[in-house]
Amino acid sequence: EVQLVQSGAEVRKPGESLKISCKGSGYNFPNYWIGWVRQMPGKGLEWMGIIYPGDSDTRYRPSFQGQVTISADKSTNTAFLQWNSLKSSDTAIYYCARRSGLTGPFDYWGQGILVTVSS
Amino acid sequence: DIQMTQSPSSLSASVGDRVTITCRASQSIYIHLNWYQQKPGKAPNLLIYAASSLQSGVPSRFSGSGSGTEFTLTISSLQPEDFATYYCQQSYSTLITFGQGTRLDI
Repeated sequence: EVQLVQSGAEVRKPGESLKISCKGSGYNFPNYWIGWVRQMPGKGLEWMGIIYPGDSDTRYRPSFQGQVTISADKSTNTAFLQWNSLKSSDTAIYYCARRSGLTGPFDYWGQGILVTVSS
Repeated sequence: DIQMTQSPSSLSASVGDRVTITCRASQSIYIHLNWYQQKPGKAPNLLIYAASSLQSGVPSRFSGSGSGTEFTLTISSLQPEDFATYYCQQSYSTLITFGQGTRLDI
């Protein structure tokens, strides 16, 4: 069974750093793109970026380039989303999702991580 | 970016109704269009991919159609569990974009 299991909810202060994770199982993790999607409170879905764990090829939505870092460790089947300096506007739910091919849909999703940034 | 525009933004319907949601792309995306359902507090769930292919395990009352710039999601006979928010998403461009969502209420 394909599963993406994300780490737990996080609370941080503005300016702090954070790294959240998404662990895949039940499939050949290096061979599928993993994307990250943000959902701000009460809002829609916003694609942030995507990584191919096999070779770490990474693409970012321009508005997130330089704001976050997406990485992956194929030895542990885990993808990561990282911030060096959080802002209150980063408060959101963050989902990871597996993409079936470079032009395919997101066919499996993690459960989501609520990140709260507040002083 | 390719802009995706859904209509309507919200919709009220009853159990047993036939419902159609439209998604328009700002440029041709051929058939690279996917539909998701999201219930409150849950992750999105893939319903339709490549405009009209039903994802495994999804009830056959859901169907998709269209190509180019105009697409539709149809629910043939609404069930209580279908009241949720629906999103379209284009996967033609490297810069993936979602529609703004359509909230389906009772």
